[in-house]
Amino acid sequence: DVKVTQSSRYLVKRTGEKVFLECVQDMDHENMFWYRQDPGLGLRLIYFSYDVKMKEKGDIPEGYSVSREKKERFSLILESASTNQTSMYLCASRVDTSGNIQYFGAGTRLSVL
Amino acid sequence: ELKVEQNPLFLSMQEGKNYTIYCNYSTTSDRLYWYRQDPGKSLESLFVLLSNGAVKQEGRLMASLDTKARLSTLHITAAVHDLSATYFCAVVAGGTSYGKLTFGQGTILTVHP
Repeated sequence: DVKVTQSSRYLVKRTGEKVFLECVQDMDHENMFWYRQDPGLGLRLIYFSYDVKMKEKGDIPEGYSVSREKKERFSLILESASTNQTSMYLCASRVDTSGNIQYFGAGTRLSVL
Repeated sequence: ELKVEQNPLFLSMQEGKNYTIYCNYSTTSDRLYWYRQDPGKSLESLFVLLSNGAVKQEGRLMASLDTKARLSTLHITAAVHDLSATYFCAVVAGGTSYGKLTFGQGTILTVHP
């Protein structure tokens, strides 16, 4: 079974803090994704990585950056957290761009106070 | 820009009844997915629909795709409580370079005894 693991289920941070959300997949997938999920808006893509050290902006990249130094790990960074970044963050991975299914982690619920 | 709209957004059903969730999208698509999310859990892939007229069934759920109408349906037959969850459709726009998924808002399904 594909396993996508997000390091924290719940995080509480203060405005202005630098926040790291970590995601690890164990299936040697090339592609990894970060989404945020908000009620009534579905999932929105923040960033996508199609290979190590490669990244593409998604629909809502403002206020976020990412890092992919190793194939199995994809980090989402909030340089200076703000209250409007309070949300559920989901990581996903996929075999490659021709692959069909994205496999999701359990999510990190981030609260910025 | 690809837009994906689901309706209804909230669905309260009695056990044993049938109902359909609709997913409309605005531009040509290569692929369409249905995902299920249980409260506090991650997204689980249900169906992948790859061509016009595709129909897939698993248990009490059946998904279909009409690419000409840009419409997918998720039909629930004889609902049971275990089907209570949030259901998302997601679409890959035709011609995208990396198979980016655009999600609908999600349909929250509650099945009552």
